[in-house]
Amino acid sequence: RKEVEQDPGPFNVPEGATVAFNCTYSNSASQSFFWYRQDCRKEPKLLMSVYSSGNEDGRFTAQLNRASQYISLLIRDSKLSDSATYLCVVNAGNMLTFGGGTRLMVKP
Amino acid sequence: DGGITQSPKYLFRKEGQNVTLSCEQNLNHDAMYWYRQDPGQGLRLIYYSQIVNDFQKGDIAEGYSVSREKKESFPLTVTSAQKNPTAFYLCASSKPGLAGVGADTQYFGPGTRLTVL
Repeated sequence: RKEVEQDPGPFNVPEGATVAFNCTYSNSASQSFFWYRQDCRKEPKLLMSVYSSGNEDGRFTAQLNRASQYISLLIRDSKLSDSATYLCVVNAGNMLTFGGGTRLMVKP
Repeated sequence: DGGITQSPKYLFRKEGQNVTLSCEQNLNHDAMYWYRQDPGQGLRLIYYSQIVNDFQKGDIAEGYSVSREKKESFPLTVTSAQKNPTAFYLCASSKPGLAGVGADTQYFGPGTRLTVL
């Protein structure tokens, strides 16, 4: 079983739609969690950290469920510019472990 | 501007040659990392360094070597022993959190795309 698992997608959604991604992790000792965004042939960029209480940044909401060992990312009112691959990242111990990414394509 | 730079952006190498990828940061970060990304896959850790003159192997260190002589610089050498070196190489840095030595938020350079001919 992979340490961090994501549905690779692609998720094809129309502009304005709400879309959610889940990510599961296997190490119950994981301490911190992140969502990164990666555009095609570019480096990953931090989208948001994920806190135990859940957190929101504009149209983006991240949730953590420690009991079930998953984190989620909700994007409301999707924009064309949201098209990218979203990487789930988990810190257990000293190192980050990356999921394979979920590809989102927002269509006009 | 503060940030991480990697060079070159594209690199072509013949089989059997060693190549060195550059990574420089002016963020005053203590920790630096090298990852490899293959198409459709997540990032895999090659080497990391949490302090000058010290570094550790990651999950896929075979065929690679690094040095950390200066805080700002963490070059990666892809040796001829690396069986399948064609990939996208990403360097990152972080300032470990106050909770202890560990991975804090990592910031990435723009990457080097290596192709072996």
